[in-house]
Amino acid sequence: EIVMTQSPATLSVSPGERATLSCRASQSVSRSYLAWYQQKPGQAPRLLIYGASTRTTGLPARFSGSGSGTEFTLTISSLQSEDFAVYYCQQYDTWPLTFGGGTKVEIK
Amino acid sequence: QLQLQESGPGLVKPSETLSLSCTVSGGSISNTNYYWGWIRQPPGKGLEWIGSFSYGGSSNYNPSLKSRVTISGDTSKNQFSLKLTSVTAADTAVYYCARFANSGGAKVDYWGQGTLVTVSS
Repeated sequence: EIVMTQSPATLSVSPGERATLSCRASQSVSRSYLAWYQQKPGQAPRLLIYGASTRTTGLPARFSGSGSGTEFTLTISSLQSEDFAVYYCQQYDTWPLTFGGGTKVEIK
Repeated sequence: QLQLQESGPGLVKPSETLSLSCTVSGGSISNTNYYWGWIRQPPGKGLEWIGSFSYGGSSNYNPSLKSRVTISGDTSKNQFSLKLTSVTAADTAVYYCARFANSGGAKVDYWGQGTLVTVSS
């Protein structure tokens, strides 16, 4: 099983600032089969990025994903009020599918 | 637009079986391009994949739950279901049904709204 570790657990950022979220895998995620999800309180998660760097349709360009192998990053270039949420990474390279523990992005 | 809707009891007694259904509209569960399955989230905690199945391929389950889980589909109702046996308080969670892509890897592109299941006597 690939264990996914996200850091930090909580990120305090002011609106307009840049947020950088990290996701590390316990072994290489081949084909960059890494996804990022956003979850707001009381809602289901929603897919933001897949293939480590491909944005879903309509996702603002301020969201970008990068990385390969065991190290991946989600960057939000200029945080908007609607971006404050919990973000999860997920590897879908091998079964069982596994998620990171999440990073909460909160208002500073 | 694809929609998924969970249904089932919100309260289950310890040692009993948790049973949930997911009704799919706007798409067919017999479409072999997708897996269909379940993910859960204990209150205040992270996401845990439970298992997935596809009519075009195999079923896969989380090894930590495999001995207690069955996921199956009913094409006549365009529904799929989750059965989790011998539940304990640790199974209390919001349960999401979801669609997973089959090609290009099993990322989750559609989620149900989720249903809270509490295990308590």
